Amino acid sequence: EAGVTQFPSHSVIEKGQTVTLRCDPISGHDNLYWYRRVMGKEIKFLLHFVKESKQDESGMPNNRFLAERTGGTYSTLKVQPAELEDSGVYFCASSAVTGGEQFFGPGTRLTVL
Amino acid sequence: GQQLNQSPQSMFIQEGEDVSMNCTSSSIFNTWLWYKQDPGEGPVLLIALYKAGELTSNGRLTAQFGITRKDSFLNISASIPSDVGIYFCAAQGKNSGYSTLTFGKGTMLLVSP
Repeated sequence: EAGVTQFPSHSVIEKGQTVTLRCDPISGHDNLYWYRRVMGKEIKFLLHFVKESKQDESGMPNNRFLAERTGGTYSTLKVQPAELEDSGVYFCASSAVTGGEQFFGPGTRLTVL
Repeated sequence: GQQLNQSPQSMFIQEGEDVSMNCTSSSIFNTWLWYKQDPGEGPVLLIALYKAGELTSNGRLTAQFGITRKDSFLNISASIPSDVGIYFCAAQGKNSGYSTLTFGKGTMLLVSP
């Protein structure tokens, strides 16, 4: 069974540009989470989807971040326009049930110059 | 917001030594989890603890859920080179919606052969 996959693995962009990260959860997992780790800091929760609905988006930093999960399968996280402080590793995780074990993808390392 | 204080920040030990790391918080949690992250990978769940006072082992790993529900520790016995990585504590509770994870900053473990 394929695990959680994320694309791209790395992205280097300039301040002011737009970047879109993609996450494909484990097949059949209704719950999808986005987290971010800024260098040297803890991994922080961004938002939680149940199917296509946003269950909790309390961790989203500001309105430059937009997450979607059309059709309840894969999810995208768009940062527009990117700022220097957006640099970090963005992890996606999925779980079969809410509160169940979360399986993490390998992350997307975003560098904003 | 809720914080998990994880220590130590890093450890450099000899193969065969035992390792101990811990997490504390001022908040009460219902679940404590320990993850390991290898380079280029996402965090992988090692041990999950669901009950205050619970002591659980997984091979050479032992973890405990503190009786106050505000702390947890992880021990690794007889370390080997493949134990190298970043270890994260994480917790779930009412204030984090019972599903989203609150993470510590991680403990980087280096093992010398």
